[in-house]
Amino acid sequence: SYVLTQPPSVSVAPGKTARITCGGNNIGSKSVHWYQQKPGQAPVLVVYDDSDRPSGIPERFSGSNSGNTATLTISSVEAGDEADYYCQVWDSSSDRVVFGGGTKLTVL
Amino acid sequence: QITLKESGPTLVKPTQTLTLTCTFSGFSLSTSGVGVGWIRQPPGKALEWLALIYWNDDKRYSPSLKSRLTITKDTSKNQVVLTMTNMDPVDTATYYCAHNSRQRGFDPWGQGTLVTVSS
Repeated sequence: SYVLTQPPSVSVAPGKTARITCGGNNIGSKSVHWYQQKPGQAPVLVVYDDSDRPSGIPERFSGSNSGNTATLTISSVEAGDEADYYCQVWDSSSDRVVFGGGTKLTVL
Repeated sequence: QITLKESGPTLVKPTQTLTLTCTFSGFSLSTSGVGVGWIRQPPGKALEWLALIYWNDDKRYSPSLKSRLTITKDTSKNQVVLTMTNMDPVDTATYYCAHNSRQRGFDPWGQGTLVTVSS
């Protein structure tokens, strides 16, 4: 079965750039979506189809996807960006949705 | 504006069947390409996809839970229902429904409903 691997945690100072990776076999051939989940809240889509942003999501959030790694990049990180982040793909070979294990972003 | 809301019991006993309803507005589940999915999250743990139903009544299930899940839709009522049989304490989680499309993933999500399995 297809597996997405994320680092459990990433720490970054305010104003710096955070990069959260999502590893999967040939993930570059798939469309990757990213969700932000703050404590006690439902997840929110922040990047879809590798690198597109829904309306209302700041330009500071961007995505890329190539080879075996997709990356969510958050520039000029703010305290309000502290949250759990999940990547997600559709695995066409098994016809199922796959989520990564999530990454906790801590703003120092 | 698309909104979704989950409803159902907050407490179920082991071995019972859980029935959750997702009531939505702002879109039609008869529109090509549209789907509604269910995702759960045990306390302090990661998201786990459960099931997905599409506008054409095509259904997909998590392989590990497929034998216990049934997803149905009532287009006229703007509702999607998920049933999960033989509930166990490990099924204690917040259950979310969400609007889905292949291009945009799950967006938006409902607020979620916490289901506790305990005798």
